[in-house]
Amino acid sequence: QVQLVQSGAEVKKPGASVKVSCKASGYTFTSYGISWVRQAPGQGLEWMGWISAYNGNTNYAQKLQGRVTMTTDTSTSTAYMELRSLRSDDTAVYYCARESNSGYYGYWGQGTLVTVSS
Amino acid sequence: EIVLTQSPATLSLSPGERATLSCRASQSVSSYLAWYQQKPGQAPRLLIYDASNRATGIPARFSGSGSGTDFTLTISSLEPEDFAVYYCQQRSNWPRIFTFGPGTKVDIK
Repeated sequence: QVQLVQSGAEVKKPGASVKVSCKASGYTFTSYGISWVRQAPGQGLEWMGWISAYNGNTNYAQKLQGRVTMTTDTSTSTAYMELRSLRSDDTAVYYCARESNSGYYGYWGQGTLVTVSS
Repeated sequence: EIVLTQSPATLSLSPGERATLSCRASQSVSSYLAWYQQKPGQAPRLLIYDASNRATGIPARFSGSGSGTDFTLTISSLEPEDFAVYYCQQRSNWPRIFTFGPGTKVDIK
């Protein structure tokens, strides 16, 4: 069965960087892209970007261009999302997600809480 | 950039009632629209894809309709477990971009 297991909660200071991992299992990693979605406390879902696990192509949300980098390690079937120059409004639960055969997010990680606080 | 708006922001209903949720796109997304349900502390769950197709395991009381810019999610008879937040999402094939609406909360009246 498809599983996406994310790294644990992080607490960072403003201006720092965070790197969240998402380890995939139960399918051929390079057959599907991985997206990242975040949710600030009490707020809605915000799409952050997508990476092809096949060739590393990326698309990032305009709002995060220049601060976010998504990568994959095919040897460990793991996707990574790094966010730099953290601000307090980056405090959120960060999810990785994989499309199902429908083309939409049928599989989600458990979420990683990133708290940005001085 | 396509913007999705959802209405109403909150829908207060009783179990057994019919829920009708709306999602409007700022420009046509054809039928590339999905609906998700999210409960507190949980990741979202895919309900409907390509505007009107139920995802695997989703009960028949959930249905979707629409195309172009106007879409509707209908829950024919609310069960206690259906009280949650519902998000619409559009996707484009290339570049691979997904956009969420702001959500509609369905709460118990």
